Amino acid sequence: GAGVSQSPSNKVTEKGKDVELRCDPISGHTALYWYRQSLGQGLEFLIYFQGNSAPDKSGLPSDRFSAERTGGSVSTLTIQRTQQEDSAVYLCASSGNRQGISQFFGPGTRLTVL
Amino acid sequence: RKEVEQDPGPFNVPEGATVAFNCTYSNSASQSFFWYRQDCRKEPKLLMSVYSSGNEDGRFTAQLNRASQYISLLIRDSKLSDSATYLCVVVGYSSASKIIFGSGTRLSIRP
Repeated sequence: GAGVSQSPSNKVTEKGKDVELRCDPISGHTALYWYRQSLGQGLEFLIYFQGNSAPDKSGLPSDRFSAERTGGSVSTLTIQRTQQEDSAVYLCASSGNRQGISQFFGPGTRLTVL
Repeated sequence: RKEVEQDPGPFNVPEGATVAFNCTYSNSASQSFFWYRQDCRKEPKLLMSVYSSGNEDGRFTAQLNRASQYISLLIRDSKLSDSATYLCVVVGYSSASKIIFGSGTRLSIRP
C-alpha cells in the first residue's frame, strides 16, 4: 500500500525566500509529525497534529516556521524568510489513532538554503 | 542533561558477533519506547517496540528497565546488513505528549 509521501524531494532556495513543504500521510492515519534532521544529527521534533489540530507546537524553532493540516490528511510546513541554518532534511511521519504508536516516515525533503 | 541519550558509537564489530547498546531517558513519566533503524541518507524505519517484559524479534531483543530508566537493544549473530544507525524513541505523556528521538548509535558490521 501507499506509504507517506513528501514533496519536493529536494529544494534549493535563496536566503530570505519562503518555502512550502508538503506531506501526504498514510490514508487513515490521524496523527502526523514533522521533524528535521541536520547532517549527522538526530531527529528534532517540530510539530505534531492529531486530526487538523496541533496540540504540540513546542518544537517549532521560531515564528518563521508554521504548519497546517487540512481535511485530516495533507500537511504543509512553511518556512518564511529562510536562513542558512534552516538547511536540513525535513521528515514527516504518520501513525494510527494512538499517539506515539509506531510512526511511518516519508522519504523527507532535503532543503538547502544558499 | 539531554532527555534521551545514546552512545553515538560507532560500534565496529565482526559479522556474527553479538552487540548491545543502551539508551537512557530522564523523564520517569515516559510511556512508550521504540527502536528505529536509519540507513545512510534514508528515513528512519520502525525496528521494534520495547516493553517492560522484553521483546524479541528473531535476532533482535529489546528490553526496558524502568527503575534505571534505560532501554536496550541486543543484536545476536550480526549480519553485514545490520550496519545502520539505531535510534531510540521515548514518548512522554501529557496533554501534549512529547516524542523524543535519541541522536542514534552507529553500528558497522565488518566481514
